[in-house]
Amino acid sequence: DVKVTQSSRYLVKRTGEKVFLECVQDMDHENMFWYRQDPGLGLRLIYFSYDVKMKEKGDIPEGYSVSREKKERFSLILESASTNQTSMYLCASSFILHDEQYFGPGTRLTVT
Amino acid sequence: EDQVTQSPEALRLQEGESSSLNCSYTVSGLRGLFWYRQDPGKGPEFLFTLYSAGEEKEKERLKATLTKKESFLHITAPKPEDSATYLCAVQANSGGSNYKLTFGKGTLLTVNP
Repeated sequence: DVKVTQSSRYLVKRTGEKVFLECVQDMDHENMFWYRQDPGLGLRLIYFSYDVKMKEKGDIPEGYSVSREKKERFSLILESASTNQTSMYLCASSFILHDEQYFGPGTRLTVT
Repeated sequence: EDQVTQSPEALRLQEGESSSLNCSYTVSGLRGLFWYRQDPGKGPEFLFTLYSAGEEKEKERLKATLTKKESFLHITAPKPEDSATYLCAVQANSGGSNYKLTFGKGTLLTVNP
């Protein structure tokens, strides 16, 4: 079974803090994705990575950056957290770019 | 722009009462249509991928079908444990962002015992 894990289930941060969300997958998948999920808006793609050190912007990259130094690990960074970044953050991975994506359990981030 | 519309937004069924969820899509060439199940506070769980009109896939009480404009997720004799939000997503066959999944907003299914 594909296993995608995320470093925290719940996180509370203050406005202006730098926030790191970590994601690890154990199936040697090439591709990894970061989404956020908000009520009424559904899942929206923030960034994705198709190889180590390679990344592409998704639909809503503003205010976020990513890092992929190892194949199994993909980090989402909020450089200066703001209240409008309060959301559920979901990491996903896929073997082939056009394959189904497997999701982690999510991190519910609250920025106060 | 790719669009996915799911209906109804919410559906309440009695245990054993079969029904269908709808996913209508607009995409510039469909590469794949994906169904996911999401339990509260958890990440989506992959169910099915459909690639071409006429294709059907089944898993336990669930059957997914695909036409050129929409997909249905049929739930036969549902049980309370089938209660979840069901998400539909499409992937386009062309364009620079053909890796991207465009998700619908989901259908919240509640099955009462």
